[in-house]
Amino acid sequence: SQTIHQWPATLVQPVGSPLSLECTVEGTSNPNLYWYRQAAGRGLQLLFYSVGIGQISSEVPQNLSASRPQDRQFILSSKKLLLSDSGFYLCGGTGQNEQFFGPGTRLTVL
Amino acid sequence: AQSVSQHNHHVILSEAASLELGCNYSYGGTVNLFWYVQYPGQHLQLLLKYFSGDPLVKGIKGFEAEFIKSKFSFNLRKPSVQWSDTAEYFCAVLDGIQGAQKLVFGQGTRLTINP
Repeated sequence: SQTIHQWPATLVQPVGSPLSLECTVEGTSNPNLYWYRQAAGRGLQLLFYSVGIGQISSEVPQNLSASRPQDRQFILSSKKLLLSDSGFYLCGGTGQNEQFFGPGTRLTVL
Repeated sequence: AQSVSQHNHHVILSEAASLELGCNYSYGGTVNLFWYVQYPGQHLQLLLKYFSGDPLVKGIKGFEAEFIKSKFSFNLRKPSVQWSDTAEYFCAVLDGIQGAQKLVFGQGTRLTINP
């Protein structure tokens, strides 16, 4: 079955520090992959999606970037975190006509 | 692009009460609609989905949803809730062209069931 691994589950980082969140996929090949963020009191907002290695589409302008160095690896990064980057980050995928999700990372920027 | 609105941000009910959570999407045509649930500390899980056919969709754990095209709605219902239904519920629509589709979520509804 299709599975997404995300880590860590929670993360506290100071303002101005870098960020790297990794998402890896098992059980399917060539999935479409997505990074979502849920800020406090808001819905799940799509940040980036990727239809293949090296192919990244950005949905909203922001302080973050994404990369897909391998078929089953999707990385969310920032060079300098802002307070407004706090939120719940969720990696999702589409494969074999099903959508599936990782457990998410709760990021607090102080 | 599609957008999804969930009207209830936080719903509090007692056990055995009936539940209806509202969901509206922004424009018509062929739509693929979903309800997801996230229990505390767990992954997002699919409750049910509508692609075509019978507009009344049955999902897991006694949930159902009705697709009403004229109202652009896909409300989630359960006749009698349980304490274990306490969770966050997300409505979503699949947007975009085949091969480059993405899920667009509503803002979520937090459901609290009091025993």
